[in-house]
Amino acid sequence: GDSVTQTEGQVALSEEDFLTIHCNYSASGYPALFWYVQYPGEGPQFLFRASRDKEKGSSRGFEATYNKEATSFHLQKASVQESDSAVYYCALSANAGAKLTFGGGTRLTVRP
Amino acid sequence: EAGVTQSPRYAVLQEGQAVSFWCDPISGHDTLYWYQQPRDQGPQLLVYFRDEAVIDNSQLPSDRFSAVRPKGTNSTLKIQSAKQGDTATYLCASSFGGGKYEQYFGPGTRLTVL
Repeated sequence: GDSVTQTEGQVALSEEDFLTIHCNYSASGYPALFWYVQYPGEGPQFLFRASRDKEKGSSRGFEATYNKEATSFHLQKASVQESDSAVYYCALSANAGAKLTFGGGTRLTVRP
Repeated sequence: EAGVTQSPRYAVLQEGQAVSFWCDPISGHDTLYWYQQPRDQGPQLLVYFRDEAVIDNSQLPSDRFSAVRPKGTNSTLKIQSAKQGDTATYLCASSFGGGKYEQYFGPGTRLTVL
């Protein structure tokens, strides 16, 4: 079945550090790829998506590029802020289905 | 525009008790989803509807869980006889159209089964 793997369970950075969270997927066909962010006590919020190879999604300074060959969609941000502290989820939607398959999440903590 | 609303926000039960969760999606969204999110894990789809029809309920424990969306708007998820393993946050989400479009999540109901 479809799956999403996030390598880092937790990431701790200082403000203005560069962020990378690794996401790799396994799915048949050509899935749409997503990043969501979840703050304490809230549901996940959509950050952005990409639907085709080499497409870049971006929002709020975060970005990721769809890499079909590497089956990856790594999240990056050039300079993190304390307010970016949250749990980040990579997800996919395979083919025309509506089902989202989420990764295990990465907890980002940014120190002031 | 109002977001997805859910109630209650919290529920605490003894094993064997029943509980219902209610969801009001964003107006105009035809697709509604219920997810289970155990602590420190990603959300896992239980069931989803397009309008009033169940499209996929393959991950719903059918002997104890049920979900309805009778008029294609609000939805109710019910657990008939709760178990400790059901302890999780139950998230409702809605979207307009199929899976390549973003889903909007409610705040969730945090369920604790003692």
